[in-house]
Amino acid sequence: AQKVTQAQTEISVVEKEDVTLDCVYETRDTTYYLFWYKQPPSGELVFLIRRNSFDEQNEISGRYSWNFQKSTSSFNFTITASQVVDSAVYFCALSLRDDKIIFGKGTRLHILP
Amino acid sequence: GAVVSQHPSWVICKSGTSVKIECRSLDFQATTMFWYRQFPKQSLMLMATSNEGSKATYEQGVEKDKFLINHASLTLSTLTVTSAHPEDSSFYICSALLSSYNSPLHFGNGTRLTVT
Repeated sequence: AQKVTQAQTEISVVEKEDVTLDCVYETRDTTYYLFWYKQPPSGELVFLIRRNSFDEQNEISGRYSWNFQKSTSSFNFTITASQVVDSAVYFCALSLRDDKIIFGKGTRLHILP
Repeated sequence: GAVVSQHPSWVICKSGTSVKIECRSLDFQATTMFWYRQFPKQSLMLMATSNEGSKATYEQGVEKDKFLINHASLTLSTLTVTSAHPEDSSFYICSALLSSYNSPLHFGNGTRLTVT
C-alpha cells in the first residue's frame, strides 16, 4: 500500500527564519512521482515541484529547496528566509503509474511577522 | 500554461437537493480527470477517477449513486451530488491529467459546498 506521512501537523516560525517540512513516503513500486503542493487560505492547490523516483538530485528554486533521499524514503521541503506570504498548508504527495495522487495530511505553516 | 476551471466556486443548497459541479480543462484535452474531497483542516481524499467516454472508477467507500460523475467530452467532467445532506458539505476539487504520462496534475480552484 502507498502512504505519505507528514508528521508535522502545524509549524510556526518567525519571518526570515528557515523552515523544513518533512515528508516520508511508502511504496513498493520502483517507479513513482513525488510532489509538493501549497494550499493558501483561498483553497486552490498550487503546484510546487514534481520529482520522479529515478532522479535523486536535490532542487533549488529561489527560496525553496527540496531534498530527496530514497534511502530514507523522504522528500523534505525547505523554505529559506520565510515570508508571511508563505503561510499556507503544504501537502506532500505521491503518485504511481495509475496517476492517482495520494496526499499526506498536510503541514499548516504559520509565518509570524 | 494549462488551466483547469472549476465552477461554481461555492454553492449553498438545501438538504435533499442536487448540486452539479463542473471541471473544465481550458487549453488541453484531458482523457482523465480526478475528483477529490477535502473536509476542513484535513487532507484531500480521492473520490473517483473520471475517464472520457467510460464509467468513472470510484474509490472504496464512495457512493457512486450519490456522487454521479460524467465525463462526456475531453474537456469537461461533472460531479453531481445527489440528494445532498449536511454531511456532504465539503471542499470538492478536481484535477486533470495531460495526455502525456504522469505530467503534473493541474487542479481546479475547488468548490466549497454547504448544505443547509
